[in-house]
Amino acid sequence: EDQVTQSPEALRLQEGESSSLNCSYTVSGLRGLFWYRQDPGKGPEFLFTLYSAGEEKEKERLKATLTKKESFLHITAPKPEDSATYLCAVSASGGSYIPTFGRGTSLIVHP
Amino acid sequence: EAQVTQNPRYLITVTGKKLTVTCSQNMNHEYMSWYRQDPGLGLRQIYYSMNVEVTDKGDVPEGYKVSRKEKRNFPLILESPSPNQTSLYFCASSLSEGYIPYGYTFGSGTRLTVV
Repeated sequence: EDQVTQSPEALRLQEGESSSLNCSYTVSGLRGLFWYRQDPGKGPEFLFTLYSAGEEKEKERLKATLTKKESFLHITAPKPEDSATYLCAVSASGGSYIPTFGRGTSLIVHP
Repeated sequence: EAQVTQNPRYLITVTGKKLTVTCSQNMNHEYMSWYRQDPGLGLRQIYYSMNVEVTDKGDVPEGYKVSRKEKRNFPLILESPSPNQTSLYFCASSLSEGYIPYGYTFGSGTRLTVV
């Protein structure tokens, strides 16, 4: 069974304090790994797709990396507006490639 | 603006009263999906559609129906809602090119309360 585990569940940072969120996965064959940002009461917003180990993507203060077992979302010098829940999802080979979502990491950045 | 539109945004209904939540996308996406999100359980897929007239069950399909008669629309139907279907619902769409998965565009959500 495909599994996606995100850690930590919650993270509090001071503004400017860089950190990383983790997404570890167990799938039969990875087709793609996705990162989303979700603000309270709103739909998730797509951030990145990573397709193969070694791939990296960047957007403003966010950088996503991928290995064969996990992905990291690095947040450099975060600002209060980066506060949100970050979701990871994995699409595996076989069948319809329905993505499996992790439960998310709730990030709060204090000014 | 490229978007997925869900209606209504909020809905309170009584047990057993049939309801439909509409979803429409303007990006010509082949793939559409419905999720529910509950505290502690995360996002769980209800149904998905690979294209017009092609639908299949997700992880939690019981008590729900869908149809895909047009490419842009993917309504979610609750024939006889029950209190355990109280949840936050999201519609999502994406491109579908062979077996290459693309990121979803999500709607703004429908908060459903069944009393």
